[in-house]
Amino acid sequence: QVQLRESGPGLVEPSETLSLTCSVSYAAITSYYWGWIRQAPGKGLEWIGNLYYAGSTSYNPSLRSRVTISVDPSHLAFSLRLKSVTAADTGTYYCARLGGSTPFNFYMDVWGIGTTVNVFS
Amino acid sequence: SYELTQPPSVSVSPGQTARITCSGDALPKKYVHWYHQKSGQAPALVIYEDNKRPSGIPQRFSGSNSGTTATLTISGAQVEDEGDYYCYSTDTTGNYRVFGGGTTVTVL
Repeated sequence: QVQLRESGPGLVEPSETLSLTCSVSYAAITSYYWGWIRQAPGKGLEWIGNLYYAGSTSYNPSLRSRVTISVDPSHLAFSLRLKSVTAADTGTYYCARLGGSTPFNFYMDVWGIGTTVNVFS
Repeated sequence: SYELTQPPSVSVSPGQTARITCSGDALPKKYVHWYHQKSGQAPALVIYEDNKRPSGIPQRFSGSNSGTTATLTISGAQVEDEGDYYCYSTDTTGNYRVFGGGTTVTVL
């Protein structure tokens, strides 16, 4: 069964760039599509973006200007970069594998356990 | 932008039926998927493509999608079904992939 594990700094200063990695085990990263989701403390889930074949992506329009999702050159992980962070970016960040048959129908079928990020100086 | 609307909370007695609704203008044309998040844990998929159950999800979980409203039904709710439930879908363009605001289910 595929396993996902998020990693990255737990603390990021305002205006800096948040960088997270999702390590994938027991699945070939090129055989599936992948995504990132986040959750502010005490709030609901927010879709960040998806990573498709050949590195194509789709992003939440509200975050598009600041976010980049890409495959790690090792092909054993994929990453999230979010620039110019503010306190509003504080929360738990999840990576997930996508299921579904068409891009408009993709859903998250396997999730990582999440990693907490705090933005403050 | 696009929004999916869920009730904030649903309460049910053990063994009774809980129904959680999710409303969105694009639902007549788009699949809806449902997630269950227990306190302190990552979300878990319980229903995909309106009414399909992933392997390992109990049969008491079912889903439907009619018109602009999708419904997650828990028939014979158990204490372990408590937590937050989120619907997930897209708008007609596929540009907005959104979660509903979440529904807290209490079984007592």
